[in-house]
Formats: sequence, C-alpha cells, structure tokens
Amino acid sequence: DTGVSQDPRHKITKRGQNVTFRCDPISEHNRLYWYRQTLGQGPEFLTYFQNEAQLEKSRLLSDRFSAERPKGSFSTLEIQRTEQGDSAMYLCASWTGPYNEQFFGPGTRLTVL
Amino acid sequence: DQQVKQNSPSLSVQEGRISILNCDYTNSMFDYFLWYKKYPAEGPTFLISISSIKDKNEDGRFTVFLNKSAKHLSLHIVPSQPGDSAVYFCAASEDNTDKLIFGTGTRLQVFP
Repeated sequence: DTGVSQDPRHKITKRGQNVTFRCDPISEHNRLYWYRQTLGQGPEFLTYFQNEAQLEKSRLLSDRFSAERPKGSFSTLEIQRTEQGDSAMYLCASWTGPYNEQFFGPGTRLTVL
Repeated sequence: DQQVKQNSPSLSVQEGRISILNCDYTNSMFDYFLWYKKYPAEGPTFLISISSIKDKNEDGRFTVFLNKSAKHLSLHIVPSQPGDSAVYFCAASEDNTDKLIFGTGTRLQVFP
C-alpha cells in the first residue's frame, strides 16, 4: 500500500478520557502533518514533523494535545482529558517535496460524548 | 481571520458543462496554491496546484487560473462528470515547505 494510513478510523470516547491516534505516512516522505477538520470548515493545521523533529505547533494545539514521531516514520497524536469541543476529524498528511502537494490519509473521526 | 475564502458553499452543474470554483486569499506571502477534492468519510485528495510564478496550469479536465493582482484563483472542470460531485477545497502555503491554509470548501453537484 502506497498511501497514508490512519488508525482507528472512528473513535467514540467519554469526556475526560485520553485517546491516541496513529498515522503511517508514505514510506519515503520525511514530512508529516496533522490537521483537524470540523463540520463546515476546511482542515486546520495542528503540527508537523520533519523526520522525528516537531518543527511547528499551532495555537490550536493546547497542552492537552501531544504529538510524537519517535523514529521519523509513524506518528501518534494523543489528546488527554478530552472535551466535547475536541470532536472532529483528525487528518494526517505526508510530503517529500519538491512541491507542497501533501497526501492525506482517510482521517480518524473522534466523537466525545 | 480567514486567509483563504471560498464564498460559494455550493454549486450545481449539468453533466458535460463547465464547473468553475472560485477562491480568494488575503495573504500576499502565499506562493503556492492547491485544490483538493473530498468525498464523505475520506481524506482530501490532491487535484492540481499552481505556483505564484504562473497564471495557469492544466491537467486533463482540470485547469487552475491564478490572478495575483486580484488575489484570486479558480478551478475549471471541463467537461463536468457526475463522479466530480464532491467538496472542493482551495489551499495555500507561504512557501513550498510549509503548512497548508484551507478555505471552507465548495460542494459541487454534477447532475445528469
């Protein structure tokens, strides 16, 4: 499979619980991005990695959110103490250049009850 | 502050006709622009892009036009097909290595 994969595809959790999502980028892509999309909006940037280094974080990424890419391959996004406002589609994308054509995974839909 | 705007939330076009989707931006530092198509329950799929040094780029039925002075770009689909029915997002970045800023999308419906 040559595409970006994300797991799980759907997650339902109760408010206050912690959740973790995984993204596996296209294997030769060294940049990995996380976005969040809510209903009626376009994807919004959260953070990105160049190999294992996290280079930028959006102000949308509160201290309850943490992302890692430990070996420069797959990445995880963890949300602690989830809130109902965290309900959204979480999208992962990867890129290797030279142009900024990012390739997206299918997303993880999070529902916080 | 919405830096990328898609003012038409929806567009309905007859099969075989041209579909024109519009996008405006406010940040003059944007130098790369992209269009993505999104079906429900899937991630966005890259369609076509254009650098700020060009004013037109074609790929099959899809053409993107860029008017830098007006800070406006458009996507033309000719001829439109029912399979083109999806939500289309315009996106921009400040250089070819940065995050994408997306518009709110336009839902295109192509009817027979």
